[in-house]
Amino acid sequence: AQKITQTQPGMFVQEKEAVTLDCTYDTSDPSYGLFWYKQPSSGEMIFLIYQGSYDQQNATEGRYSLNFQKARKSANLVISASQLGDSAMYFCAMRPGSGGYQKVTFGTGTKLQVIP
Amino acid sequence: GAVVSQHPSWVICKSGTSVKIECRSLDFQATTMFWYRQFPKQSLMLMATSNEGSKATYEQGVEKDKFLINHASLTLSTLTVTSAHPEDSSFYICSASDRGGNQPQHFGDGTRLSIL
Repeated sequence: AQKITQTQPGMFVQEKEAVTLDCTYDTSDPSYGLFWYKQPSSGEMIFLIYQGSYDQQNATEGRYSLNFQKARKSANLVISASQLGDSAMYFCAMRPGSGGYQKVTFGTGTKLQVIP
Repeated sequence: GAVVSQHPSWVICKSGTSVKIECRSLDFQATTMFWYRQFPKQSLMLMATSNEGSKATYEQGVEKDKFLINHASLTLSTLTVTSAHPEDSSFYICSASDRGGNQPQHFGDGTRLSIL
């Protein structure tokens, strides 16, 4: 069984500052993928970044980076230079193995609010 | 652009009505699609895995006869909420991905269902 834990129900960050959203996971699968999604108030789920369990380097996508610490089973999302449009719910998710047909497990989410 | 299209985006109907929601993969063939339900301020809850050409796999506690899933082609899955009641009101969202290992789940924009 897989489990994703996001311990921060809500976070505030000043505009232009960096913010880290925490995510820890638990799995017995040797191979897995970790994802972060953004959900604005309009409801759509926007894919942000992916980290494979065997990837040697931390994933980066523009202002988003994933701080992957395999031994600690953590996959924190770092958003640099926060913008007002970053205000949203953020979900950490995990998928076992390497197939798109595998189920994804989501964390409970963190609501990020960017303050002008 | 969007790779998964979900329709309709908003439904308001009377109690007892059956409602069909469509999920289409636009740029790829999806042998597997997923249906989620999301209550306000909560995470996504997987309802079922939709398998092309075979029966859907439902998660524990999800009524198969209430939530009918059909995946008749490689690009279309439908969720029908039968004889809907106010407690079925929720946000329903589908996802799909290519088979590739590091491909994320791409989500539709979701359907807000309100049963009066």
